[in-house]
Formats: sequence, structure tokens, C-alpha cells
Amino acid sequence: DTAVSQTPKYLVTQMGNDKSIKCEQNLGHDTMYWYKQDSKKFLKIMFSYNNKELIINETVPNRFSPKSPDKAHLNLHINSLELGDSAVYFCASSQDSGHYEQYFGPGTRLTVT
Amino acid sequence: GQSLEQPSEVTAVEGAIVQINCTYQTSGFYGLSWYQQHDGGAPTFLSYNALDGLEETGRFSSFLSRSDSYGYLLLQELQMKDSASYFCAVRDRFTGGGNKLTFGTGTQLKVEL
Repeated sequence: DTAVSQTPKYLVTQMGNDKSIKCEQNLGHDTMYWYKQDSKKFLKIMFSYNNKELIINETVPNRFSPKSPDKAHLNLHINSLELGDSAVYFCASSQDSGHYEQYFGPGTRLTVT
Repeated sequence: GQSLEQPSEVTAVEGAIVQINCTYQTSGFYGLSWYQQHDGGAPTFLSYNALDGLEETGRFSSFLSRSDSYGYLLLQELQMKDSASYFCAVRDRFTGGGNKLTFGTGTQLKVEL
């Protein structure tokens, strides 16, 4: 059973397009996250939701809009894609917002051409 | 803001012991985590230290000194499968009132025969 799943695994698109990445966790966790990992493997948090409520919103362009329809799902929509958006995007979850152990999804490799 | 420093690369031979150091600067520190990431894979949780001292989990141990803002991951009886990137991450207070993980830049461990 996959604990944290993401779709798609790979995404290749052109500049200016809009795309979405979906994430689901079946661990019963309350908190979910989006991270961006760049080509140098630097992993940086973008957003966090706790029970469908946004609790962390790092300095991210407003072209990025997360949505959590329920606590098991956290999607990421990106408008007007730019070359610099090319990265691997990881979804993660934790038992609650104060828990130290996070479970990561397999990642979505986004390439913007 | 937060900053974490760890060596970019470490090479060791199979069966050896290797130590990966991490120094950090942050406010509102709760604890230090370690994650392992194989090429093309997702980060996976290894250990967490909230208090000073050594935590042992099988071949891996993690140490924390809060007064020195320093920790390390110790890998014993190295195996080829341990070749991966290792990230330290501080769990600290977020300005919005919650807490979040800030990751270091990662240490690429290469295990040779």
C-alpha cells in the first residue's frame, strides 16, 4: 500500500502553461506539505496544510496555489509556468503539525521548456 | 533566518564508519532530524533528536548538542546501499505559530568497495 502518492510522476510542459499536481495520503495524517527540490538537491518547504487549513505559506510566487479538499488530499496548481519552476516537487504528510516525522511521496519531476 | 551547514560530499569504503556533521543557526529550535534520499527517490526519515545525546537505531546513530548547535549522523558497517544523500533538518518555530522543517543542503555519501 502506497502511503503518500503523487500524480503525475513526470510532467513536461511549455512556458506559460498551467498545470496541476495531485497528492493523496492514506496514513490518516492531519498535516500535509509541498516541497520543492531544485537541481542542486536543495529541499525547501512551500506550503503546509493542517486539517485542510493553510498553516505555512513560504515566500512562493502567487502563481502557485495549493488546495486541500480534505485532509487526505493536497493538490498544487501552477499558473503561467516559467523555466525556473523546473524541479522535483514532493508532497509529504505527518501525523500532526507538531510531529517530527514526515512521510514523503515519490515526487513529481516538472520540466518546463 | 535559519541556516544549516553540512559537507557536500563524503566518501568511505564498505564496512567502515562515517560521520556526517551538521551545524545550524535558528531561533525557536525544537529538534534535529536526519533524512536519507537515494538518487531518483524520496527523502525517508532516519532519526530525530530533541535532547542532547546519542540516539541509536541499528547501524545508524544520531547525536545532538543544543549548546553547540551541532549534530551528526553516524553510519556504521557501511554497505553499498548506504550510498545516498543525507539531509539534516531543523524543526523550528514558524512565524505563523506552528513549526516546520528546514533542510540542509545535503551530503552525498559514496560507499566504495
